[in-house]
Amino acid sequence: EADIYQTPRYLVIGTGKKITLECSQTMGHDKMYWYQQDPGMELHLIHYSYGVNSTEKGDLSSESTVSRIRTEHFPLTLESARPSHTSQYLCASSDRNTGELFFGEGSRLTVL
Amino acid sequence: QKEVEQNSGPLSVPEGAIASLNCTYSDRGSQSFFWYRQYSGKSPELIMFIYSNGDKEDGRFTAQLNKASQYVSLLIRDSQPSDSATYLCAVILSGYSTLTFGKGTMLLVSP
Repeated sequence: EADIYQTPRYLVIGTGKKITLECSQTMGHDKMYWYQQDPGMELHLIHYSYGVNSTEKGDLSSESTVSRIRTEHFPLTLESARPSHTSQYLCASSDRNTGELFFGEGSRLTVL
Repeated sequence: QKEVEQNSGPLSVPEGAIASLNCTYSDRGSQSFFWYRQYSGKSPELIMFIYSNGDKEDGRFTAQLNKASQYVSLLIRDSQPSDSATYLCAVILSGYSTLTFGKGTMLLVSP
């Protein structure tokens, strides 16, 4: 069973606020990912990490930043939120043997 | 050309029928193929993965891979209304270590 947790599940904030979306996994996976997905639209990879102190930008340009100080933790930060950042953010980690992605339940962000 | 292509649908089938979902990919060297199901407002969940040419069966689901023709399909037998969801095809393209997702096919199973 997948054990990957995201908080908050829902967040409504005003423009200009700084926010951090938390993601933790207890499976010991080295690789972790952040995807962005608008309702009814495709998944876009925005950040990924192969391990501690490793972070890479994904296919979709994003104004967010990530850090990977501990294997189990991969937070995403927006320094100054804007309405265009309104979306669902999905965190995932992958099994090194199969490549299977395990997703968290998502964080739905609304910026007013 | 998008690297992983799926018909966006919706694909509508009656309850009890076989639903056939198709996916083509651009890179002949791709090795790993995944099917995910995503209910509206929820996260994707893995249905199955396939690495070798041929069929792989798991309950009502069968994945079919044809590397020569560069397509992978998912068959759902005895479709149920609870199967109504968007089905995402994902491929690890050669030279990449991350999954590339298709846009997904919406499946609607009517009672």
